[in-house]
Formats: sequence, C-alpha cells, structure tokens
Amino acid sequence: GAGVSQSPRYKVAKRGQDVALRCDPISGHVSLFWYQQALGQGPEFLTYFQNEAQLDKSGLPSDRFFAERPEGSVSTLKIQRTQQEDSAVYLCASSFDRGGETQYFGPGTRLLVL
Amino acid sequence: GDSVTQMEGPVTLSEEAFLTINCTYTATGYPSLFWYVQYPGEGLQLLLKATKADDKGSNKGFEATYRKETTSFHLEKGSVQVSDSAVYFCALTAQGGSEKLVFGKGTKLTVNP
Repeated sequence: GAGVSQSPRYKVAKRGQDVALRCDPISGHVSLFWYQQALGQGPEFLTYFQNEAQLDKSGLPSDRFFAERPEGSVSTLKIQRTQQEDSAVYLCASSFDRGGETQYFGPGTRLLVL
Repeated sequence: GDSVTQMEGPVTLSEEAFLTINCTYTATGYPSLFWYVQYPGEGLQLLLKATKADDKGSNKGFEATYRKETTSFHLEKGSVQVSDSAVYFCALTAQGGSEKLVFGKGTKLTVNP
C-alpha cells in the first residue's frame, strides 16, 4: 500500500476486555514503532521492532500490553484487561532503514474504554 | 532522560502573519530534531528535520535551525496561510540510542482569513 494502515480506526471496549490493534507498515520497511497519544498530548513511545525482533519495549506501561511482529511485517498491539486509563489514540509508524530517521505514521486507532 | 519542551498553544494568527513556535530540548550528545504536523482528521506527517548542529530544515515555507548552543529548534514561517492550521509537534531521536521519537506536547495553530 501507499502508506501505513491501521485497523480498526475506532474501538470501544468495556473495562476488562482484551483488544488487539493491527498495523500494516509500508512494504519493505525494516523498523516499526508503536506510540500512545493521550488527548491533548504528544505521542509517547511504547515499543520498537527491527524486522521481527522487538528491540525496545521500555515504553509499555504495564504487563497488560504486549506487541508482536512475527514475520517482520504486520504488527499487533494487544492490551489485556483494558482499563479506562488505556483510552487513547494508538499510533503505528514505520521507517525504511535501521537508522529510523524518518518515521511514517498511520492514521491511528482511537480506543475508548468504558 | 531526553525531553522536548515546546511553547503551549493555542496560537491564533491572521493570514500572512509571521509564525514562530519555540522548541527546546534536553538530550545527551547530538540528537536528530524533527517537526511533525497533524492536520485535522489526518495522521502525523514529517514537516522537516535536521540531523546535526547548524543544519536548517525547510519545507513548504517552514524553516527550523538546529542550535546546539541554545538547545533549540524553533519553527518559523514568514507568511502563514489558512491551510497551515494544524497541530505542530517538535521531536527528537537520541544519538546512538533507541530509534524512538520523543515528542513535545504539541502546539495548535489556527490561521484566520
């Protein structure tokens, strides 16, 4: 595809439910990032993959958050037992080279936990 | 840790006015610096970047110069248009570290006709 795509675009979950958010990076991009953007704030880093290897997961807020990229392309961010404070926009970005200099962002998934 | 501080908004200007959005950073070494823009209803887009001291990034009439001595990367445009209305984010990636972007909180710009 022409850009990074994410699905679903909107997700409403009841507190305690598990959710899975999908990211399709630009074809051939080595690096993939997940960010969380709270309302009125800048994005905050969650985790980073280089191909299928998860090289940095220091931003994941708790062990309820889990991300994978098993074949080095599509990635899934899973949140278990969602809480109200998980409500945010989840952004995925990819970049072509290992340097990760220019990251291209998807439109985001807006998650609302009730 | 690394951080970015940018001027708080919102900023409201008339068309053709001069724009400055201040951005300062805290980081060890020589980070790469970026401005991203988020237009209403759209995803984040890279506006410009600079990877070493004294470099000037420019795009669509916007400019920013990497100032190591003042740890700043202020965004400027000489004459804004209504279509420039958006949220602007200053960001950095640390030298030699993880590739993650560290963002400021964003500045909302509204340009009136």
